[in-house]
Amino acid sequence: AAGVIQSPRHLIKEKRETATLKCYPIPRHDTVYWYQQGPGQDPQFLISFYEKMQSDKGSIPDRFSAQQFSDYHSELNMSSLELGDSALYFCASSKNHGGMNTEAFFGQGTRLTVV
Amino acid sequence: GQQLNQSPQSMFIQEGEDVSMNCTSSSIFNTWLWYKQDPGEGPVLLIALYKAGELTSNGRLTAQFGITRKDSFLNISASIPSDVGIYFCAGQLKGGSQGNLIFGKGTKLSVKP
Repeated sequence: AAGVIQSPRHLIKEKRETATLKCYPIPRHDTVYWYQQGPGQDPQFLISFYEKMQSDKGSIPDRFSAQQFSDYHSELNMSSLELGDSALYFCASSKNHGGMNTEAFFGQGTRLTVV
Repeated sequence: GQQLNQSPQSMFIQEGEDVSMNCTSSSIFNTWLWYKQDPGEGPVLLIALYKAGELTSNGRLTAQFGITRKDSFLNISASIPSDVGIYFCAGQLKGGSQGNLIFGKGTKLSVKP
């Protein structure tokens, strides 16, 4: 079965550079979530989209932005990168049924290293 | 903000032992999910719970949605070496936005030396 696809799997950037992470949800899933996970930490919610509109916002820095496109894939844009942005970034997707989301499935993540 | 208290933080298992972990909160949840994460990989969904009191099994795993809707537990019976990893509970708040999941801090399962 198709899973959530994230690209790239690994990314190395220098401070102050920009990065774009991509997420392709499971087919027919309409909701996408982005999470950031630091070393030894639990995943922290950044932002989510439902039907191409932002549905919720968590601890996403102002330097980051995201959007969901017409084909439901999503991109997380990160600018003015800082060393502290080094983390695993996960995307998850789910299907909304009558206002309730089914279980969320995660991609394998993008490991971002800022040097 | 809303928090999930997951315990224990870590535990050591011996093959064949049963394992139990739980999550509690002061908030009411619509959904409880249990995930397992291996190093460097994405969390893998183990069990999803949608109704208060619901008890669901997946092989050797059993999870329950607490009646108060503020807690959930996960049991692993007859543990095997591949059960090692980090287990996360996650919940969707009652009245929360579209599916924003709040995660517990995780329970790290290791093999007894």
